[in-house]
Amino acid sequence: EIVLTQSPGTLSLSPGERATLSCRASQSVSSSYLAWYQQKPGQAPRLLIYGASNRATGIPDRFSGSGSGTDFTLTISRLEPEDFAVYYCQQYGGSPPTWTFGQGTKVEIK
Amino acid sequence: QVQLLESGGGVVQPGRSLRLSCATSGFTFSSYGMHWVRQAPGKGLEWVAVIWYDGSNKDYADSVKGRFTISRDDSKNTLYLQMNTLRAEDTAVYYCARVRSGSNGDLDYWGQGTLVTVSS
Repeated sequence: EIVLTQSPGTLSLSPGERATLSCRASQSVSSSYLAWYQQKPGQAPRLLIYGASNRATGIPDRFSGSGSGTDFTLTISRLEPEDFAVYYCQQYGGSPPTWTFGQGTKVEIK
Repeated sequence: QVQLLESGGGVVQPGRSLRLSCATSGFTFSSYGMHWVRQAPGKGLEWVAVIWYDGSNKDYADSVKGRFTISRDDSKNTLYLQMNTLRAEDTAVYYCARVRSGSNGDLDYWGQGTLVTVSS
């Protein structure tokens, strides 16, 4: 079973700063099956990035994803007030297939 | 527009059963794979189950295998999760989510969730 480890657990930043979130897999993950989600308190998750680097519909271009193999990154170029939230990476794969989420990174206002 | 609306949550005693429903609209339900994902209070997301668009395949997390059953009724555009032999650790908000078209892995629309509390 693939385990996804996100770091840091919490990121304290100010609006306008750059956020870099890491997602490390315990074994190689197909880039096609690596996604990122944003979740705000009391809300359902929202798909941000799929296929490691493709923005979902309606996602601003300040969000970008990169990486391959076991190391993936979500970057928010300049934090807006509405970006303070928890972010999860997720992978799909294996046989039998499983869907796994990382434990999340909270981006909080400094 | 795409909408997913979960229902059926509530308080249930350990060992009892509960069935969740996810009513959908705004898309051709029969063309999409669907998932259940849960989130325990104050915790992260945990994948629970998936059903392929045509119902031909179903997969479950080890934590629920043998106790939970995912199903779908395309005539009603509705997804279900039958939960048996519930345990305290099944307490969570349960979300249904749609697989993004062309993918098997990522989830582009989510419901708002329904809370299941397993407690005596």
